[in-house]
Amino acid sequence: DIQMTQSPSTLSASVGDRVTITCRASQSIGNWLAWYQQKPGKAPKLLIYEASSLERGVPSRFSGSGSGTEFTLTISSLQPDDFATYYCQQYNSYSRTFGQGTKVEIK
Amino acid sequence: EVQLVQSGAEVKKPGESLKISCKGSGYSFTSFWIGWVRQMPGRGLEWMGIIYPGDSDTRYSPSFQGQVTISADKSISTAYLQWSSLKASDTAIYYCAKQGGVAALQAFDYWGQGTLVTVSS
Repeated sequence: DIQMTQSPSTLSASVGDRVTITCRASQSIGNWLAWYQQKPGKAPKLLIYEASSLERGVPSRFSGSGSGTEFTLTISSLQPDDFATYYCQQYNSYSRTFGQGTKVEIK
Repeated sequence: EVQLVQSGAEVKKPGESLKISCKGSGYSFTSFWIGWVRQMPGRGLEWMGIIYPGDSDTRYSPSFQGQVTISADKSISTAYLQWSSLKASDTAIYYCAKQGGVAALQAFDYWGQGTLVTVSS
């Protein structure tokens, strides 16, 4: 299995901050990477697919970059609705894996 | 409108069998892969496997191969996740999710609401 490692595990930030989350794959996955947002008691929501493509309806303050083994999710100006847990997921093969998650907390 | 509606919460005893469901609507059910994702209490997301309802081609995570069975009935646009003998460690929320395109390599763009499975003696 391809292992996905996110950092940090927890991030404390304030409204308006620029936030960056990193996801590293144990082997190259091209650009087959997605980012999801999950709020407590809710299903995950797709934010970014193919590493940098913004899902329809997702605010433009979210952006993704990277390829191969290193990827980042950036929130340009953190909003109150963005406090949640974020997961990366590789889908380079039929055996897909998620990162362990990054919880974005209010500072 | 695309919807994935999952069956309700279940409480089972260790050793019992269980089959939970995920009904798709608002799209061509047979044309998009559907996957299952586990979330144990207070933990992250774990990818379990996917099925292509058009021909029932199924792929499993090595961690879940042999532990669960994924199936689909395209006549009623419903995917299933089943266990033959539950363990306490199967206690979790299980989500179904639809892939975003007809190609094999796609992210999950729509998710069900989740089914809570509790296994306790």
